[in-house]
Amino acid sequence: DTAVSQTPKYLVTQMGNDKSIKCEQNLGHDTMYWYKQDSKKFLKIMFSYNNKELIINETVPNRFSPKSPDKAHLNLHINSLELGDSAVYFCASSRARATHEQYFGPGTRLTVT
Amino acid sequence: QKEVEQDPGPLSVPEGAIVSLNCTYSNSAFQYFMWYRQYSRKGPELLMYTYSSGNKEDGRFTAQVDKSSKYISLFIRDSQPSDSATYLCAMILSGGSYIPTFGRGTSLIVHP
Repeated sequence: DTAVSQTPKYLVTQMGNDKSIKCEQNLGHDTMYWYKQDSKKFLKIMFSYNNKELIINETVPNRFSPKSPDKAHLNLHINSLELGDSAVYFCASSRARATHEQYFGPGTRLTVT
Repeated sequence: QKEVEQDPGPLSVPEGAIVSLNCTYSNSAFQYFMWYRQYSRKGPELLMYTYSSGNKEDGRFTAQVDKSSKYISLFIRDSQPSDSATYLCAMILSGGSYIPTFGRGTSLIVHP
């Protein structure tokens, strides 16, 4: 009965590879997010989707492409991985876009070697 | 200068101590103030939120906002080893996108 789940939990890959991270929420929320938490623990928004529509796209390299097949799912595809992409990626969801309360997934720890 | 400043710690206290965690911010347009708790290798979970100024209490936790000083605090009374985690403050602008700006988190260790 996990609220926000992500797969995989750990991802180790080499530079130049392409990888995807998947996120699912069973809370019935309309809005979903991708965050990146770097080694210094700063949590920064990357993308936000509301009802499958992209509403926020922060300054993120276009190697990162989110995709929302339906309201409950938000995936993140990363092309041509670089060393600097190593971080923990968190998916989150909220009931609506204009709300302060977000529910986070457990994170995907990406290591690029 | 970052928009939200938070001392990363670690802050180490004995069990039963009163803990004070703080953040300062530079943008006076922030209106929503939240505290998230993040256990090691887990996602953040919302602990408390406050709208505008004032205090809010929930069990052993008290959140305070002082907008005139651009300073927010989280107090934990009777701290327990299970409180050991990283505490992130977060803030949302009034009339904006409702995307929070996070502090870097303070690592708290409560030892028995």
